[in-house]
Amino acid sequence: DAGVTQSPTHLIKTRGQQVTLRCSPKSGHDTVSWYQQALGQGPQFIFQYYEEEERQRGNFPDRFSGHQFPNYSSELNVNALLLGDSALYLCASSFGFRGYEQYFGPGTRLTVT
Amino acid sequence: KQEVTQIPAALSVPEGENLVLNCSFTDSAIYNLQWFRQDPGKGLTSLLLIQSSQREQTSGRLNASLDKSSGRSTLYIAASQPGDSATYLCAVSPSSNTGKLIFGQGTTLQVKP
Repeated sequence: DAGVTQSPTHLIKTRGQQVTLRCSPKSGHDTVSWYQQALGQGPQFIFQYYEEEERQRGNFPDRFSGHQFPNYSSELNVNALLLGDSALYLCASSFGFRGYEQYFGPGTRLTVT
Repeated sequence: KQEVTQIPAALSVPEGENLVLNCSFTDSAIYNLQWFRQDPGKGLTSLLLIQSSQREQTSGRLNASLDKSSGRSTLYIAASQPGDSATYLCAVSPSSNTGKLIFGQGTTLQVKP
């Protein structure tokens, strides 16, 4: 049973560029949440997708956008990258959007230079 | 606004010692609380989930307790091993109508042989 997978593992981008990160949920899960984790900090909630719609959003600017596909996989897009966007981006999946147990992927390390 | 705090930020103990990690939250109206483990540069591994109606959960050498009224949770690790060295994060789910998790900053544990 495959767990949550994310791609790519690492990514280096230049300030001002755009980036797309991908996530496939754990088998049987239909909800995907994205988190940003800066070095030495706890993860911060970006947004959650359920039934292909953004259901809830954290305190992140519109430069952060996402998408969920019919197979429940998801993308996180970040436009106009800033140095401060450098972080580990974590994807979590669950069955249903309610407060059920969440399973996390290995993350994508984004470095903005 | 819910805030989660973990003290201490770092802890070093000799192998074999029993230890307790602390987590506090400001709003007692939570749906559940999860404890995670994170190895350096990696994703999060779920250790224990406690529903708001529960007092504790156990898995192997780990025992997590929850006291909603005082806004506290503890993670007890028995007979610590060097392989337990990692960062431990606690996270609360604010309500049953959201999958958003609010994290503490974590406690980095080092178990010395």
